[in-house]
Amino acid sequence: QVQLVQSGGEMREPGASLKVSCKASGYTLTDYTIIWVRQAPGQGLEWMAWINPYNGNTDYARNFQGRVTVTTDTSSNTAYMEFRSLRYDDTAVYYCAKDRLGASDAFDIWGQGTMVTVSS
Amino acid sequence: DIQMTQSPSTLSASVGDRVTITCRASQTIGSWLAWYQQKPGKAPKLLIHKASVLESGVPSRFSGSGSGTEFTLTISSLQPDDFGTYYCQQYHTPPITFGQGTRLEIK
Repeated sequence: QVQLVQSGGEMREPGASLKVSCKASGYTLTDYTIIWVRQAPGQGLEWMAWINPYNGNTDYARNFQGRVTVTTDTSSNTAYMEFRSLRYDDTAVYYCAKDRLGASDAFDIWGQGTMVTVSS
Repeated sequence: DIQMTQSPSTLSASVGDRVTITCRASQTIGSWLAWYQQKPGKAPKLLIHKASVLESGVPSRFSGSGSGTEFTLTISSLQPDDFGTYYCQQYHTPPITFGQGTRLEIK
């Protein structure tokens, strides 16, 4: 069964960093693009970044360039999203999702979400 | 960036009703549009891709239509399990963008 399983919730102080993992099972990570999406409390979905695990190509939304890095470890079939210089308004649920066809399509499998709380 | 605008923002309907949600793109996106359903505390679920293609396992009461800049999601006969928030998403031009969501409540 194809699924993405994300790491558990995290709490950080402002200015800190964190790394969220997204482990793929039931398929080979390199076959499909992975995106990361943020959802602030009570808000909609915001695309953050995507990565092509096959060649490592990435793209970032303007709002996250310089603070977010997405990577993959093909040996463990896992994608990662590293977030630096966290702010209070980064408090949100973060999702990874898999492209349906490989690249440039809709997203058919989503992780369960990782709640990140930024608080002092 | 392409702006996606959904209407209405909130919708209340009864079981058995026909429900329609509209999504408009700020520029043409062909048929490169997806619809997702999200329930509280859960990840989004893909319902429809390429504007009108039903994802495997999604009930046939859901349908999508449209192309260019105007799209609709229709639920032909609303069921109690259809509550939640619905989002459209364009994947024609990077960056991908989502509509702001339509919250569907069951009366």
